[in-house]
Amino acid sequence: EDKVVQSPLSLVVHEGDTVTLNCSYEVTNFRSLLWYKQEKKAPTFLFMLTSSGIEKKSGRLSSILDKKELSSILNITATQTGDSAIYLCAVNDYKLSFGAGTTVTVRA
Amino acid sequence: NAGVTQTPKFRVLKTGQSMTLLCAQDMNHEYMYWYRQDPGMGLRLIHYSVGEGTTAKGEVPDGYNVSRLKKQNFLLGLESAAPSQTSVYFCASRRDNGENQPQHFGDGTRLSIL
Repeated sequence: EDKVVQSPLSLVVHEGDTVTLNCSYEVTNFRSLLWYKQEKKAPTFLFMLTSSGIEKKSGRLSSILDKKELSSILNITATQTGDSAIYLCAVNDYKLSFGAGTTVTVRA
Repeated sequence: NAGVTQTPKFRVLKTGQSMTLLCAQDMNHEYMYWYRQDPGMGLRLIHYSVGEGTTAKGEVPDGYNVSRLKKQNFLLGLESAAPSQTSVYFCASRRDNGENQPQHFGDGTRLSIL
């Protein structure tokens, strides 16, 4: 059975801090790993990491895939209150298997 | 620029009632999915479809049925609602199973079973 584990489950930081979120996985037919940000409604897509694209960066967010260790990290630098959300990791074979998510709270 | 649209947005049911959640996408996507999201459990796949006329079970299919009679629509049915089905339901679609295809989500349906 596919398994995606995220850690920590939640964290609280202050504006300007850097956070690192972890995702480890065990899936049968790995195709890609995705990170989503979820605020009040639908998850919104952040990054997709594949065998041919193991590192992505967008502004203050960056992510790396370690295929050897079957894991990924999502970094957020210089955090802002608008970064407060649930961050979801999902691994793609023919469907997406999601982790439980990490709730990030950024305090002013 | 609709993307994935779910109806209704909220619903309260009594135990034993039935209802259907509708998901519609206007992106001509082949793959569609229904998830439920419960606190501390992430999104769990209920059923999915890889094309018109096809459906398959996901991780937590019991108590739900689905149909994909038209490519753009994916319906989720609860035949006899139970309190354990109180959850937020998300529909998603994806163009195909290509490596670089993310899923696009609807805004969710909040369902309460009393």
